[in-house]
Formats: sequence, structure tokens, C-alpha cells
Amino acid sequence: DAGVIQSPRHEVTEMGQEVTLRCKPISGHDYLFWYRQTMMRGLELLIYFNNNVPIDDSGMPEDRFSAKMPNASFSTLKIQPSEPRDSAVYFCASSPTPDTARYEQYFGPGTRLTVT
Amino acid sequence: DAKTTQPNSMESNEEEPVHLPCNHSTISGTDYIHWYRQLPSQGPEYVIHGLTSNVNNRMASLAIAEDRKSSTLILHRATLRDAAVYYCILRDYGGATNKLIFGTGTLLAVQP
Repeated sequence: DAGVIQSPRHEVTEMGQEVTLRCKPISGHDYLFWYRQTMMRGLELLIYFNNNVPIDDSGMPEDRFSAKMPNASFSTLKIQPSEPRDSAVYFCASSPTPDTARYEQYFGPGTRLTVT
Repeated sequence: DAKTTQPNSMESNEEEPVHLPCNHSTISGTDYIHWYRQLPSQGPEYVIHGLTSNVNNRMASLAIAEDRKSSTLILHRATLRDAAVYYCILRDYGGATNKLIFGTGTLLAVQP
């Protein structure tokens, strides 16, 4: 398997523009997670899905952020309008259904977003 | 979620063992102890996890205190490639949530 795929790897945009980050989870995984990492706040969980349904979006910073998972193989994280403070590395991760014997999240390479 | 405490940074020499400590004094009976690491410019990757007994895999060993209030990740022979941020995380397998809450971790530097 190719692992979790994210695109684009780098995005530079101007303040006020819409930004869409994309993620393809590992086939067969039914959990998908979106994280954001900054120097100041570390690695934060934004939202996660189970079987394409959002389960916990308590980490989404504000209404400018939205996430969708239209099918089991694709998810998007959208920021509209973008602001300089949204500059960060955004990671997508996926996992199979956990059990007591094993639980592992697989992370993508991340998208580095710069908002000027 | 129960919290973990780790040193901000540690240093090791190549080919020597490394013991990375983690304190989790408020751990509950249903919390698993997970370790992830993040190499420079990469996403985190799973290292190991355990509940009560010590665990070994190809990457590392996890030693868990008898009272489970602390644990130690052991890298038996550090290599330059092991330089990373190591995160100790508790996850409640009995709860409805499936989240991992990352703290600040330990930045491990490996000297040649």
C-alpha cells in the first residue's frame, strides 16, 4: 500500500483565499484524522471521521475550517478565508478499527501551508 | 484525558542504549500507553504500545512500572536515524473516543 497520501505537499496562498487540502487514507481503514502542527501549539487533533461520518470536531478552530469525507477513500480540509495564523503543517492520518491488542494511526507526509 | 510528562530533550551517543522516561501518575485502568515518534519533516509514526506487561518489537522495548504510573521507552542501540521527537500518549480503550492527544514530547539528539 502507498500509505496515506496528501496533496498538495506545499501550499502558499494569500490571506483571504480559499485553501483545500486533500487526503487519501489507506485502503480498508475506517478512521480518518486531521491534525495541525505549529511550533507554538504542537500537534493538535482537528477532527476525525469513522466510516465517513464526523465523530469529533471539537478541535476545529473556527467556522473558517470545514472538513468532509464524501467516501471511504477521500477527505478534504478547507479553510475559507485563510489567515496568516493558519500557517502550519497539516497532517492526515488513518487507522483501522482499534482493538485491545493493537491500535495504530498511520500518518501522511503532511501539507505545509503558508498564508501570506 | 490523563496527562503524561516527558523531559523536553535528551541526548545520546550512537550505538548506546537510550531510555526515554514518561510519567503518567493519573493513568486509569483502561488506558493503554502508546509511543510515537516524529522524524524531522515527517509525520509521526507508531513505535510501540502496552497495557501492563513489558513489550518488545523490532523498533524498541517498553518497560511499564508495576503501578503503571510511569513507563520507559528503550532504544537498545541508538542510531543517527533515531533522532526524533518521541511522544508518550495515553489512550482509553474502554471509552467511546478514538483520539490520540499528543503532548510536547522528548526531542532526542543522537551524537555520532
